[in-house]
Amino acid sequence: AQSVAQPEDQVNVAEGNPLTVKCTYSVSGNPYLFWYVQYPNRGLQFLLKYITGDNLVKGSYGFEAEFNKSQTSFHLKKPSALVSDSALYFCAVRDIKQTGANNLFFGTGTRLTVIP
Amino acid sequence: NAGVTQTPKFRVLKTGQSMTLLCAQDMNHEYMYWYRQDPGMGLRLIHYSVGEGTTAKGEVPDGYNVSRLKKQNFLLGLESAAPSQTSVYFCASSSGGLGTEAFFGQGTRLTVV
Repeated sequence: AQSVAQPEDQVNVAEGNPLTVKCTYSVSGNPYLFWYVQYPNRGLQFLLKYITGDNLVKGSYGFEAEFNKSQTSFHLKKPSALVSDSALYFCAVRDIKQTGANNLFFGTGTRLTVIP
Repeated sequence: NAGVTQTPKFRVLKTGQSMTLLCAQDMNHEYMYWYRQDPGMGLRLIHYSVGEGTTAKGEVPDGYNVSRLKKQNFLLGLESAAPSQTSVYFCASSSGGLGTEAFFGQGTRLTVV
């Protein structure tokens, strides 16, 4: 069965410093991986995705993520954090070999706080 | 550009009462989903639909029913609400391709007392 793990409930980073939010996955086939962000009292917003090709994926608001097949990871990164990046971040996976392959399975979320 | 709209945004129910949450999307998407979000547990899939007239169970379907009579609408029903169903409910839709992202509504905060 597919699963996603976000090992850190909380990440704190100083404004201007690089940030990393970690995600590891487990699937039986090739994964389709996604990152979403949730601001307070809002729905989830799509940030970026990995389908195939280049392991470094660029997305919205200056975020990027690196797909690492050997480590089964898909960490979210940004070179310079902004206070406005403070939010809840979710990693999600589709396992194309599973029945109901179109369903997204989410991690438990990581709360990012950027300190001014 | 409404996207995905959920109604209502907030609701308080008494144990045993019933209610229906409405989700509407204007993107002509085939796939629609209902998730619940609970602290420390992320989002869990309740039910989903791969097209008009179809529904299927997700990870946590017990106590919920759904209907997709029209392509643009996906209804989530609670027949007899329980305190364990206190949660934030999110509807989402996608075009159906495996590589496509899902679009989410703003959520419904439900409290069952």
